[in-house]
Amino acid sequence: DIQMTQSLASLSASLEEIVTITCQASQDIGNWLAWYQQKPGKSPQLLIHSATSLADGIPSRFSGSRSGTQYSLKISRLQVEDTGIYYCLQRYSNPPTFGAGTKLELK
Amino acid sequence: EVQLVESGGGLVQPGRSMKLSCAASGFTFSNYGMAWVRQAPTKGLEWVATISYDGSSTYYRDSVKGRFTISRDNAKSTLYLQMNSLRSEDTATYYCTRRHFDYWGQGVMVTVSS
Repeated sequence: DIQMTQSLASLSASLEEIVTITCQASQDIGNWLAWYQQKPGKSPQLLIHSATSLADGIPSRFSGSRSGTQYSLKISRLQVEDTGIYYCLQRYSNPPTFGAGTKLELK
Repeated sequence: EVQLVESGGGLVQPGRSMKLSCAASGFTFSNYGMAWVRQAPTKGLEWVATISYDGSSTYYRDSVKGRFTISRDNAKSTLYLQMNSLRSEDTATYYCTRRHFDYWGQGVMVTVSS
């Protein structure tokens, strides 16, 4: 199985700050990478698909990038509503695998 | 608007069975593969099973193979997950999603406990 490693379990940042969350794949997955935000008691919401494409209705302060097998989610200006847990997902091969999540809090 | 609404969860004893349903609307259900993803309390997300658009192909994570069955009724736009021989480690919120994990239901809680 492909392992997806989110090295930071938690992250604290200030309003308007730039935040970057990373995810490392254990092998090449191309652009088959998605990012999700999950708030307490809610289902995950798709933010980014195909590594860099913004999902419908998602604010443009969110962006995704790729460097080899490392993937990044960037929030350009952190807002209050951006707190939550962020997960990456690879669907390059079965089984699809998620990262362990990065909890983003306001400082 | 795409909507996925799960039902059928609750408390069940170890070794017993339970069947989850997911009613889909707002898109042509028969054109899309579908999947189940679960999340144990305070834990991360874990893929469970996937079914092709026509039901001809199914895929399962190793820990549920032989115990869980994913199926669908395209005439009713409904996805199912039959769960047999349930274990305490199956306790989780179960989410119904489209195969590409773009839209998710609100989730249904399954608690396996005596």
